[in-house]
Amino acid sequence: AQKITQTQPGMFVQEKEAVTLDCTYDTSDPSYGLFWYKQPSSGEMIFLIYQGSYDQQNATEGRYSLNFQKARKSANLVISASQLGDSAMYFCAMREGGNTGGFKTIFGAGTRLFVKA
Amino acid sequence: DTGVSQDPRHKITKRGQNVTFRCDPISEHNRLYWYRQTLGQGPEFLTYFQNEAQLEKSRLLSDRFSAERPKGSFSTLEIQRTEQGDSAMYLCASSLEFPGGTEAFFGQGTRLTVV
Repeated sequence: AQKITQTQPGMFVQEKEAVTLDCTYDTSDPSYGLFWYKQPSSGEMIFLIYQGSYDQQNATEGRYSLNFQKARKSANLVISASQLGDSAMYFCAMREGGNTGGFKTIFGAGTRLFVKA
Repeated sequence: DTGVSQDPRHKITKRGQNVTFRCDPISEHNRLYWYRQTLGQGPEFLTYFQNEAQLEKSRLLSDRFSAERPKGSFSTLEIQRTEQGDSAMYLCASSLEFPGGTEAFFGQGTRLTVV
């Protein structure tokens, strides 16, 4: 069965420093996609970055990069040069590719990031 | 059409009443998802549609919950005989079917309070 684990309920980072948010996953489907979303206090879910299971290179989007270690089933999000506006909940999510029957996306419990001035 | 739209944004209802929420996805998106999110938790999958077909339904969804997407465009989620435990944010998302996978775009949610 699909599973996403985020073991850090909360993280603090100093402004302008880099921070890594952990995510591990479990699936028996060889085809899957991994996503990170940001949810500020206003509540909307904002897509940040995507990594496909067959992608050879780690995904990057501006200050966001995904440290994808397939053998370890981890997909950590790295935020470089943290800004005060990065303070939010961050969710790791996974969508299977359908080989095991489903395309639903499941989410982890989230990590709340606090950026200190 | 610039995003996923959900209506209403807030709903307060008395226990035992029925409620219905609407979701209008991004127009070219053929996949539509419903999630429930309680405070401090990640979104929990409820159900999803590909076009008008409901392809998967979570065990979280009791018989009191029903979802439809009659013409493969907008969707409704109905909760019958609401209970206090149904109080949550109900999120709708849509995405395009694509071999490499594309992100789901979320609406702003409907916050349900059952009193």
